This record gives sequence, C-alpha cells and structure tokens, in this order.
Amino acid sequence: QQQVKQSPQSLIVQKGGISIINCAYENTAFDYFPWYQQFPGKGPALLIAIRPDVSEKKEGRFTISFNKSAKQFSLHIMDSQPGDSATYFCAASAGGTSYGKLTFGQGTILTVHP
Amino acid sequence: DGGITQSPKYLFRKEGQNVTLSCEQNLNHDAMYWYRQDPGQGLRLIYYSQIVNDFQKGDIAEGYSVSREKKESFPLTVTSAQKNPTAFYLCATTRTGTVYGYTFGSGTRLTVV
Repeated sequence: QQQVKQSPQSLIVQKGGISIINCAYENTAFDYFPWYQQFPGKGPALLIAIRPDVSEKKEGRFTISFNKSAKQFSLHIMDSQPGDSATYFCAASAGGTSYGKLTFGQGTILTVHP
Repeated sequence: DGGITQSPKYLFRKEGQNVTLSCEQNLNHDAMYWYRQDPGQGLRLIYYSQIVNDFQKGDIAEGYSVSREKKESFPLTVTSAQKNPTAFYLCATTRTGTVYGYTFGSGTRLTVV
C-alpha cells in the first residue's frame, strides 16, 4: 500500500514534443505529491509538487495533473528540450507518523533528441 | 549541493568490510534521511532521524547502521551484513514536520570489489 508505481521506465521524445510520465498510488493517506529531476551523478532536485485539493498545477513548461478518484498523477513537460534529458521521479508523502518521509516511484529516464 | 556535503563521491569496499558514508549539512535542518538508489527501483529509505540522538529504521535498514550525535551530521555505515551494497547512496534533509524543502546531497557511489 505504500508503493508508488511509475511509468514508463524510459521515454524518448523529439525536441519540442510533449513528455508525459504517469504515477499511481494506493495509499489514500498520501497528501503531498512532488516530482524530482535528477541529472547523472547528482542528487534529485524538486521540480514541482501538488496537493490533492487541486487537479492541476503549472510552473512554466511543467504541469502536474492529479486525479484523486483514480489515485493517479502525471507530469507533462511541454516543448521538451535536450536539457530536460534526465531521470524523473514521482513521490508521495502522508501525514501522521510518516510525516517527512517520501515514497518514490521507480523513475523514468527521459531522453530528448535535438 | 544546497548545503549538504556527501563524501566520498566514490567508495570501494572489499567483501567483509564495513564502510562509513559521510553526510554533513549547514542548512540547520532537523531531519535527515538516507536513501539508496538502484536502477529501476527508485529511491528506498534506509534510515531517518528527526532529532539529535534519535533515529528510525526505514524500509531497507538491514545491514546498515547510523548515528546522530550532532544536528549537522548523519553518517551511514554499510556493514558486512549488507549482502548487496553496491548502489548510489543519497542523503537528504528537511525541517522537522514537513516534506517541503527536501534537499538532497550529490550522493556517494559505493562499489564492492
């Protein structure tokens, strides 16, 4: 129940295209859903995050779509650029005694071809 | 990165040896975490500490140990009991009681030789 399932495992997109990464969860106690971006040899960095009281959040070219009833959320990268090539992780966190702990998806390796 | 220093960047361990990975932060964050990253498995929580002199096991604590004697430091020891220690290890911090401002270090890549 603590799992977050992420797909696809890898994604190849042409420059200017839309990249879409999906995540699904089971634990209804999750109430915070961040996305992290990781470049090779570096630690992940927070990209964008959403709470379940909204269905969409947009920051620049990055948008999170959230479907509470389906327990799914996704990251959309518009106008994808070669510099977006990285590994992306979705994550989720619950309150209570689990507060502060993130459960991560398996990661998606995004390659944007010029 | 962002006030978190992990060292060394690369570490090689012989079979049967214990090794210690360092994590130091100057962000004045109370909470510190150790994650292990393996290809295709995401990040899995090993140990976390929300206050000095206190820490809890995460999802994959077997074969690892930690200490939290200072707010700034949270070293991770990979013991000989860890059967498959080759991985990328990440330290993270945040203020207690929040997942916001979760900051990761640059990681240590441990290889068993």
